[in-house]
Amino acid sequence: GAGVSQSPSNKVTEKGKDVELRCDPISGHTALYWYRQSLGQGLEFLIYFQGNSAPDKSGLPSDRFSAERTGGSVSTLTIQRTQQEDSAVYLCASSRTAHNEQFFGPGTRLTVL
Amino acid sequence: KQEVTQIPAALSVPEGENLVLNCSFTDSAIYNLQWFRQDPGKGLTSLLLIQSSQREQTSGRLNASLDKSSGRSTLYIAASQPGDSATYLCAAIYSSNTGKLIFGQGTTLQVKP
Repeated sequence: GAGVSQSPSNKVTEKGKDVELRCDPISGHTALYWYRQSLGQGLEFLIYFQGNSAPDKSGLPSDRFSAERTGGSVSTLTIQRTQQEDSAVYLCASSRTAHNEQFFGPGTRLTVL
Repeated sequence: KQEVTQIPAALSVPEGENLVLNCSFTDSAIYNLQWFRQDPGKGLTSLLLIQSSQREQTSGRLNASLDKSSGRSTLYIAASQPGDSATYLCAAIYSSNTGKLIFGQGTTLQVKP
């Protein structure tokens, strides 16, 4: 079946603008995760969804970052008032349940000018 | 602090060699550990997941072990091939309440023909 998909694959924005990143998990996967990968910080966890709830938001770096998941499926990560330090690759993953194997999407490369 | 460490950061071997990649973690109360490979500019591909109750998992030429008492996991690659060249990441879940993966910095492997 289809894997995890993300859109857009690349996003270039100006400092101060808002951006939305989308993730479509594998069908039937109840758990969904967002991570961020940057040169200086490696791979960092942002948020975990179980169904439409987010029991772990501990990795969101500031209140400019938010995420939602609807219908137990698609998730959107929103970054408001983007800053240059937000430039990174944003990766989404899903798994059948929280402690099963996680499968990653190809990522969205965000560049903030 | 719950951390995952991978040493060395880079490794170069001739084709055909058997090799071991190392991963260490700080807390023996690990829930599970997952190995990934990442090709340049791509997302993460899951290789193996080891549950905390398991000692090893095998897939083709890959064998991953888990030793909770010593805080170590190894990924053994048999008969390495140039196509195995990639960055290998290990990641651990420490809590039963979240599927958050904590990643090591990765080992970049080059297999020379």
